[in-house]
Formats: sequence, C-alpha cells, structure tokens
Amino acid sequence: QKEVEQDPGPLSVPEGAIVSLNCTYSNSAFQYFMWYRQYSRKGPELLMYTYSSGNKEDGRFTAQVDKSSKYISLFIRDSQPSDSATYLCAMTTPGTASKLTFGTGTRLQVTL
Amino acid sequence: GAGVSQSPRYKVAKRGQDVALRCDPISGHVSLFWYQQALGQGPEFLTYFQNEAQLDKSGLPSDRFFAERPEGSVSTLKIQRTQQEDSAVYLCASSLAPRGNNSPLHFGNGTRLTVT
Repeated sequence: QKEVEQDPGPLSVPEGAIVSLNCTYSNSAFQYFMWYRQYSRKGPELLMYTYSSGNKEDGRFTAQVDKSSKYISLFIRDSQPSDSATYLCAMTTPGTASKLTFGTGTRLQVTL
Repeated sequence: GAGVSQSPRYKVAKRGQDVALRCDPISGHVSLFWYQQALGQGPEFLTYFQNEAQLDKSGLPSDRFFAERPEGSVSTLKIQRTQQEDSAVYLCASSLAPRGNNSPLHFGNGTRLTVT
C-alpha cells in the first residue's frame, strides 16, 4: 500500500462547478502538505502549502487538512477550462528538506 | 534565469546506452532535487543536494544512477546501461533555503527519457 493514495480520475466537470480533490495518507509523521498543478508536458507548480489542520484559502482555491483522519482536500470554486490539468498532492516530514512524497495525481478536465 | 532549465527535453536511448541529463537551477538556489515520474504516476524522490554536497541519495533505484553538482549550481543525472524500466520523465527542482520545509520547490519541465 502506498503512503499517499489519490484517485487518478479522470474527473470531468462543467465550467463553473466546484471541484473537490482528495488524498489520504498513512504516515502520521507527515506534517507539511502541498498541492501542485501539472499541465501536460510541464513540471509541477505549487498551488497551496499548509502545515496545520484546518482550511487555507487563496483566491478560488481552498486547501483543507484533517490530520486526525489523515485526509487532505483541495477545493476549486468557479472552475475554468484553464484549470484542466493533473493535480498532485504532496507531503513531507519535518527535517527532511523538501523530500516530498507525492500522490498519483488526479487528472481534471473542465468542459465549456 | 527565470526558472529551472532542463536539457535535453526529450532523449531516446537504446537499451544499454549511457545518458546524461542536465539541470540548471534558479540562480542562488541552495537546494536541488531530482525526481523520477513514470507515466500516470506522481514524481518519486531520487536525490538531494545542498550546494555541492549530495546529502540524500536514498531514492536512486540502482547503482546505475549517479548524480553530481560539482560547483553547487548545475547538476547532472547520469544513468548507465539504461534499461526499459528507466523510461520516465526526470524532473529537477530547486529551492532557495537549505533543508527548508517552508521554501517552495520550483520544478523544471523535465527530460522525457525513452529507452528502446
């Protein structure tokens, strides 16, 4: 079993929909949580970073962490076709620099 | 430079050939990472440098993989005697801080290696 589980999708939603992306993890030592967006044939780019349980909002994006359930989520409001990409969750433990453990990635398609 | 630059973007190698992949990190970035991303998977950690020192190489899959960063800037990932299972995208990332969990990683666009 992988340390980080993420549904690979694909997930198809209409423009304007609210998107919910999720990851579960098994290693309770993970303390820092990130969401990356990866367009086709590009490198991952950091969207959200958080280290505490609760919600963090940035524009149309909200990251949610529940350490007690070992569950993290990314919500995208008012989704746009330009949001179509693969979304990767990633996490790391303190003192390991940015040695990230990634999920498989969820491929999202936002249709007109 | 504006971002992390990797070359070549695409590399096709015959099984058994040696390959060298280059990474130019963002100027001034202390930390440099190599990740391997297989098709349909998330990136997996290979190795980490702080300046010229390779502090963690626990993710290198075999002794055929070797990485260096001799002057603390440009890094090269070398794969000897390539095998088909080495086919993947190799991503380089850099960050400003040493061992900084609060310092975001900036990824390059990767080198797509295909071993035939």
